[in-house]
This record gives sequence, C-alpha cells and structure tokens, in this order.
Amino acid sequence: DTGVSQDPRHKITKRGQNVTFRCDPISEHNRLYWYRQTLGQGPEFLTYFQNEAQLEKSRLLSDRFSAERPKGSFSTLEIQRTEQGDSAMYLCASSLGREIDYGYTFGSGTRLTVV
Amino acid sequence: AQKITQTQPGMFVQEKEAVTLDCTYDTSDPSYGLFWYKQPSSGEMIFLIYQGSYDQQNATEGRYSLNFQKARKSANLVISASQLGDSAMYFCAMREGRRRDNQGGKLIFGQGTELSVKP
Repeated sequence: DTGVSQDPRHKITKRGQNVTFRCDPISEHNRLYWYRQTLGQGPEFLTYFQNEAQLEKSRLLSDRFSAERPKGSFSTLEIQRTEQGDSAMYLCASSLGREIDYGYTFGSGTRLTVV
Repeated sequence: AQKITQTQPGMFVQEKEAVTLDCTYDTSDPSYGLFWYKQPSSGEMIFLIYQGSYDQQNATEGRYSLNFQKARKSANLVISASQLGDSAMYFCAMREGRRRDNQGGKLIFGQGTELSVKP
C-alpha cells in the first residue's frame, strides 16, 4: 500500500461544469476525510466517512457538493455547477478510526481551478 | 468550539539555527491530540509530530520537538538545526474528541506559518 491516492492531481474546468474527484485511502483505514484548502489558508473540514457511512458534513458543504464512499473503500467528491469560489486544493485523508487516532495520512490533493 | 490559532504568518530563520513556531488551542474536551504538519510547495501534508493531551512528556521526533504547555493551551513546534529543505508551510492541528454517537475525531487546522530558511 503506497498511501492515500487522489485523482486527478489538477483539474481546470469552466464555471458551471460538474467535476468529480476520487480518493483511494489506505486499505485498512476505516475513516476517510475530505478537506478544502484555499491559498494561504489551513485545510477546512468538509466531510468524513466511517466505512460507508457519512457521519458529518460541514456547513461549507453546500447543496452543490456531494460525497460518497460506496462499500467503504474509495470515495468520490462531486461539485455540481462549479463557481470560481470553488477553486481550491481538495485534500483527502484517511485514518484507522480508533477511539484515539493519531495516524492521519493525507493524499497529495486535487487542485481545482474554475475559469 | 475547538479552535487552533497560529499567530505567525511568516517566519525567517538562518540555516543551522533553531526556530519556534507558535500554536495555541482552545477546547473543552479532556482528551485531545495535537499535531504538526509540514506542507511544501508541492502540496502534500507531511506528518511531523504528535502530542496526546495525557502525555506527560513533550514529544520529540528527530530535529522536531513539541513544547506542550497544557495550562497555557500551547503546543509550539521547535525545529533544531534548520535546513534549507525545512522551508515550507507548517500547520498545527487538533483532533477533536470522539462523541458517544461515534462522531468527532476530525482534525481542525490553524492558519499556518510560512517558514523560510536562509542560507
């Protein structure tokens, strides 16, 4: 297992188009997190899954955003009708999901540019 | 609400010198964890060091050490013998406590400090 993989690394899209990102976590990790990071800021939490269940969603996750984790393996994050304000780095992380987690592994992120 | 504050937007340090990056946190949970991550310009988040709220000793990992002052709610990162490759963004993060409904446990990040190491 080589860590958390995210695809694509970069995505340029026109405003109004839909985009979908994929995250493959470390195989034995139960938890999967999505974060958004804008330039010069720290990552902001979007949502997370415990296996296939989506347990929490941030207020940042508007109706245009949807995330899935079918079968508790990989996850997808879809943004519908993209806006320029959606331009950011989207980071995925996974962890074992234990009572006390100290091993969060991040992917290299997907950088989205909306033009 | 839990919060992480990093008050230094940017720091400069001379190569081979030590540098301290500040981090304060706010939480009412008795059990929490504190993390430092390094993010180079390539974008990946690299884990550096972890401190649990019940840990009696300050965490150390090679050239990194965490100055944990629980009463002051601070968790400063100390990098000794800075190297040019240490130039990057550094983020302090806190793991929120797990709740009875199995929610919680996500990381909450500060705004980051950009460290520049000068030759």
